[in-house]
Amino acid sequence: DAGVTQSPTHLIKTRGQQVTLRCSPKSGHDTVSWYQQALGQGPQFIFQYYEEEERQRGNFPDRFSGHQFPNYSSELNVNALLLGDSALYLCASSLVGGLGTDTQYFGPGTRLTVL
Amino acid sequence: GQQVMQIPQYQHVQEGEDFTTYCNSSTTLSNIQWYKQRPGGHPVFLIQLVKSGEVKKQKRLTFQFGEAKKNSSLHITATQTTDVGTYFCAGPQGQVTNAGKSTFGDGTTLTVKP
Repeated sequence: DAGVTQSPTHLIKTRGQQVTLRCSPKSGHDTVSWYQQALGQGPQFIFQYYEEEERQRGNFPDRFSGHQFPNYSSELNVNALLLGDSALYLCASSLVGGLGTDTQYFGPGTRLTVL
Repeated sequence: GQQVMQIPQYQHVQEGEDFTTYCNSSTTLSNIQWYKQRPGGHPVFLIQLVKSGEVKKQKRLTFQFGEAKKNSSLHITATQTTDVGTYFCAGPQGQVTNAGKSTFGDGTTLTVKP
């Protein structure tokens, strides 16, 4: 049973650049959520995708955008990178249609460093 | 907006001692989840509590959900070096839906001296 996978593992960019991170959900899951985790903090919700649409969004600027594909995989795009965007980006998958639960399974994350 | 706070931020214990972390939400939660994140790793789901006053056990770990569904605790009995990591609680924001987004606390980092 394949778990949540993310690529790349690490990424170094410079300010002003754009980045795309990728996520494949756990087998059988249809919902993907993205989180940003700064050092020493808990994950912060960016947005969630279900049925190829953004379903929920946290307090992140429009520079953060995403996409979900028919196979449920997802991308997170960040434009005009700032130093403060340096963080671990986590993808979590879950299954809509469960018993009202929000059980999420996290991927290993992508460590983004902005110089 | 909803806030989830955890205390303590750090806890250092001798192996064999007990450990407890507390989680408090500014709003009533429909459920609460606990995660463990090892150093350099990603959050791993431990458990979800749904009912008021619910208590669940996983070997040496005991999880409790408060009667008002605004607080929770995780207690580890006789800690081991394998318990090292950061423990997060998280609750869904707003009304429960299957698409609920989660608010995480900032975690309690546990270190264990062998």
